[in-house]
Amino acid sequence: GAVVSQHPSWVICKSGTSVKIECRSLDFQATTMFWYRQFPKQSLMLMATSNEGSKATYEQGVEKDKFLINHASLTLSTLTVTSAHPEDSSFYICSARGSSGRDYNEQFFGPGTRLTVL
Amino acid sequence: AQKVTQAQTEISVVEKEDVTLDCVYETRDTTYYLFWYKQPPSGELVFLIRRNSFDEQNEISGRYSWNFQKSTSSFNFTITASQVVDSAVYFCALTLYNQGGKLIFGQGTELSVKP
Repeated sequence: GAVVSQHPSWVICKSGTSVKIECRSLDFQATTMFWYRQFPKQSLMLMATSNEGSKATYEQGVEKDKFLINHASLTLSTLTVTSAHPEDSSFYICSARGSSGRDYNEQFFGPGTRLTVL
Repeated sequence: AQKVTQAQTEISVVEKEDVTLDCVYETRDTTYYLFWYKQPPSGELVFLIRRNSFDEQNEISGRYSWNFQKSTSSFNFTITASQVVDSAVYFCALTLYNQGGKLIFGQGTELSVKP
């Protein structure tokens, strides 16, 4: 089946530092990847849609300069939280959409990255 | 605009009870997909089912069953003979055919199954 990995699974950093989270599709090519943020006891909130080779499309209210997304290849997208602050502490989840066929309208989710900013 | 509503925030049942999780969606599009995901305490989303808007057949998979009714815009999920391992947050989600795969999630229902 389609597998998506995320690295790291958890990270603790000091306020003001930048953190990079990687999302990889391991056994399929993903032209589109999505980044979500989930606060405790809340639903997943879509942050941005990342398309390979082009700029990410951010949802309303999400700061582009703070959450840098790069989708350099068909199997890798990265989210960099720049100058992280305690309010950025959250569970970040990526997903990848299949490129064709039955998988085209289905997203495969990574295991998530728990970010804690001290 | 599209919307998914899961009115039940928390449900608590005793093991072996049946439980139904409600999901109501809103869209004017005629082509869309509905999903259910399970999120255990570990946090990883587990895909349970996908249903397209043209397929109203109910589905059963082991102890799980889904009732899709377009007339009431509902896609309810029933767990029969619940088990402690079913304890998790369950999300219902909607995507439109022409929206590039963007998922709209409901608020989630936290199910607690007690022994």
